[in-house]
Amino acid sequence: AQSVTQPDIHITVSEGASLELRCNYSYGATPYLFWYVQSPGQGLQLLLKYFSGDTLVQGIKGFEAEFKRSQSSFNLRKPSVHWSDAAEYFCAVGAGANNLFFGTGTRLTVIP
Amino acid sequence: SQTIHQWPATLVQPVGSPLSLECTVEGTSNPNLYWYRQAAGRGLQLLFYSVGIGQISSEVPQNLSASRPQDRQFILSSKKLLLSDSGFYLCAWNRVGASGYTFGSGTRLTVV
Repeated sequence: AQSVTQPDIHITVSEGASLELRCNYSYGATPYLFWYVQSPGQGLQLLLKYFSGDTLVQGIKGFEAEFKRSQSSFNLRKPSVHWSDAAEYFCAVGAGANNLFFGTGTRLTVIP
Repeated sequence: SQTIHQWPATLVQPVGSPLSLECTVEGTSNPNLYWYRQAAGRGLQLLFYSVGIGQISSEVPQNLSASRPQDRQFILSSKKLLLSDSGFYLCAWNRVGASGYTFGSGTRLTVV
């Protein structure tokens, strides 16, 4: 069965520091992988997605993620965090239109 | 371009009252439509999805129901709200055969 684990419930980083949000998945085939961001009281916005090809994926707002099949991971990174990046981040895995599974999210706090 | 609208943004309802949340998509036809719930401190739970008018699939048994009276309209309802129905409800859509969703801005429901 598909599942997504985001082991960090809450992360705090200083503005300008680097960021890595962890995501591990369980899926029987090559998955489609996604990262979404949710600002307080808002819907979810797609940051990036991986379907196939280059395992390092570039997204919006300076984010990137790397698919590592051997580790079943799809960690999200950003070299320098901005205060506006404070939000909740969701990793998701799916293989079709109707079976997208989300992790429980990681809340990012950015301190000046 | 495609847009998704969800309303109301916030709602406070007494226990036992009915509920109707509406979601509409513009700029596309025959979308897949989804209702997700995000409870406080938890991830996203798929409630219902629809691949066409009048076609509703329920993912979890609960006090809620969904309907799709028109191609681009998806309604989430309840006859009698429970306290446990409180949460953040998100509508989403995608194209048939595609992965990844576009989310609405969400409805914050508080049952008192």
